[in-house]
Amino acid sequence: RKEVEQDPGPFNVPEGATVAFNCTYSNSASQSFFWYRQDCRKEPKLLMSVYSSGNEDGRFTAQLNRASQYISLLIRDSKLSDSATYLCVVNDASGTYKYIFGTGTRLKVLA
Amino acid sequence: DVKVTQSSRYLVKRTGEKVFLECVQDMDHENMFWYRQDPGLGLRLIYFSYDVKMKEKGDIPEGYSVSREKKERFSLILESASTNQTSMYLCASNVGGRRDEQFFGPGTRLTVL
Repeated sequence: RKEVEQDPGPFNVPEGATVAFNCTYSNSASQSFFWYRQDCRKEPKLLMSVYSSGNEDGRFTAQLNRASQYISLLIRDSKLSDSATYLCVVNDASGTYKYIFGTGTRLKVLA
Repeated sequence: DVKVTQSSRYLVKRTGEKVFLECVQDMDHENMFWYRQDPGLGLRLIYFSYDVKMKEKGDIPEGYSVSREKKERFSLILESASTNQTSMYLCASNVGGRRDEQFFGPGTRLTVL
């Protein structure tokens, strides 16, 4: 089993739609969770950190489910500019500052 | 704004050459990382450094070495480049905590012929 797993997609959705991605992680001791966004041929950039209580930033909502070991990202009212690959990132719980990246979920928002 | 720069965007080398990839960050970050990104495999950690002259192996260190002589600079060295090291190489840095955002450089696309 991969340490961090994501559905690669692509998720093709119309503008204005709501779309959700899940990401599962294998190490129950993991402490920190993030969603990064990566545009084509660009570097990853932090979209949002994921907190235990869940958090929202505008149209984006992140949730953590420790019991089932997954995190989710919900995007409401999708925009064309949301088209990108979304990377799930989990910190390694071994005591070092190591982050495990998922392979990413590709989103295409269609006009 | 945090800035992480990498010495080259594109690089073409021949098998057996020694290759140096340079990364510089301007925000006095403690931690620096080198990843490679390949289709279907995502980002994989090669090495990271948590202080000057300190380094730890990541998941795929074979065929690579690193150098951190100054806090702002982290170099990745391919001792003898091979075709399976053709990849996108991304450098990142962060302040030091596990909850801290990583800031990435623009990447170096290396092709080994």
